[in-house]
Amino acid sequence: QVQLQESGPGLVKPSETLSLTCAVSGYSIISPYYWAWIRQPPGKGLEWIGTVYQTGSTYYNPSLKSRVTMSVDSSKNQFSLRLRSVTAADTAVYYCARGIATDGLQFNIYYFDYWGQGTQVTVSS
Amino acid sequence: QSVLTQPPSVSAAPGQKVTISCSGSSSNIGNNYVSWYQQLPGTAPKLLIYENNKRPSGIPDRFSGSKSGTSATLGITGLQTGDEADYYCGTWDSSLSSWVFGGGTKLAVL
Repeated sequence: QVQLQESGPGLVKPSETLSLTCAVSGYSIISPYYWAWIRQPPGKGLEWIGTVYQTGSTYYNPSLKSRVTMSVDSSKNQFSLRLRSVTAADTAVYYCARGIATDGLQFNIYYFDYWGQGTQVTVSS
Repeated sequence: QSVLTQPPSVSAAPGQKVTISCSGSSSNIGNNYVSWYQQLPGTAPKLLIYENNKRPSGIPDRFSGSKSGTSATLGITGLQTGDEADYYCGTWDSSLSSWVFGGGTKLAVL
């Protein structure tokens, strides 16, 4: 059974960098799957942040692209998110998820089948 | 403002049927697969429907999905109080080069 578990600081100061890790168990991160970060501000809907592949290829939400870096650590079977220059608007529950996608003529995500339980990140001084 | 439009809320009585719509455009729903997610209160989203109308293992056949043109629909029959949740549609937007979610629909089983 695939399981994903987010971890990282629950409180980040404005203008600093938010760093989260998603540990994957029950499945190798070196696989034909893509690994994603999705967030949900309090009382609001879901927002895709970006997706990373085992090769290190990344695909980011255009609205966040200038501040986001995602990476894979195959030795630890985990992947990570870094979001720079955070503000209060980045306060949200952050989820990691496994995605099914294709990267042929054009990258295209089909769906997300497994999700972590989510971790609350608050941006405040 | 979401690229995909869902009704903010729907409601129906236990045992009844409800449908939730998701409206988009040719750059997203019109040319890409749609998936649906159920988010029970205080929990992570869960995949309900993928590739427009397929159900993952363990999802009862009370849940169904369909797509026509630039719109998609989630149907739930035999409503149960345990179905009370937020439901989100999602798809790839080829113009934005981004995954997009609908704004979500809150289902009340009265």
